[in-house]
Amino acid sequence: RKEVEQDPGPFNVPEGATVAFNCTYSNSASQSFFWYRQDCRKEPKLLMSVYSSGNEDGRFTAQLNRASQYISLLIRDSKLSDSATYLCVVPRRAYQAGTALIFGKGTTLSVSS
Amino acid sequence: DGGITQSPKYLFRKEGQNVTLSCEQNLNHDAMYWYRQDPGQGLRLIYYSQIVNDFQKGDIAEGYSVSREKKESFPLTVTSAQKNPTAFYLCASTAGGELFFGEGSRLTVL
Repeated sequence: RKEVEQDPGPFNVPEGATVAFNCTYSNSASQSFFWYRQDCRKEPKLLMSVYSSGNEDGRFTAQLNRASQYISLLIRDSKLSDSATYLCVVPRRAYQAGTALIFGKGTTLSVSS
Repeated sequence: DGGITQSPKYLFRKEGQNVTLSCEQNLNHDAMYWYRQDPGQGLRLIYYSQIVNDFQKGDIAEGYSVSREKKESFPLTVTSAQKNPTAFYLCASTAGGELFFGEGSRLTVL
């Protein structure tokens, strides 16, 4: 299994749809996980952190399955502005400042009207 | 405002030349990172630093060098030994939670 792996997509969905992405990781020692959003030719920005079983923020829900070693991101009621690339980030060991942080290649979402 | 400043934003270089990308942060973060992104790809880790005067190689360190003489600064030198240097370079810092990124530097080798 690759260290961090994401389905590249693209996911093309209509406005209002629910869409889910998965990210698998190989290091069972990883404890914290992150989803970043990156717009075209811009820097990534934090969308959600996942420290335990999951996290929810409005239309966005992240879930962690430690047994199967994957993190999912669910977006409900998709908006045009959700169109972006979503990057999964996994620390190489127990996370603290200075831990190597490994990015997946990203999943591209395109929401259309 | 606190943040990370990368410069230059765009840079053109001839083959065989070294170039240094600047990264400065005023967030008082101990840890800093350099990533490279190629078109359609995720971010790949070049070097990272946990604290001043200390840094580690990431997954693609060959052809790059860094220094960390000050907490605020983590410059990256792309040497002539880097075979495919054309890319988008991103610097980031953290205190242990969110990674904060600069706006990136786009390097093109002519």
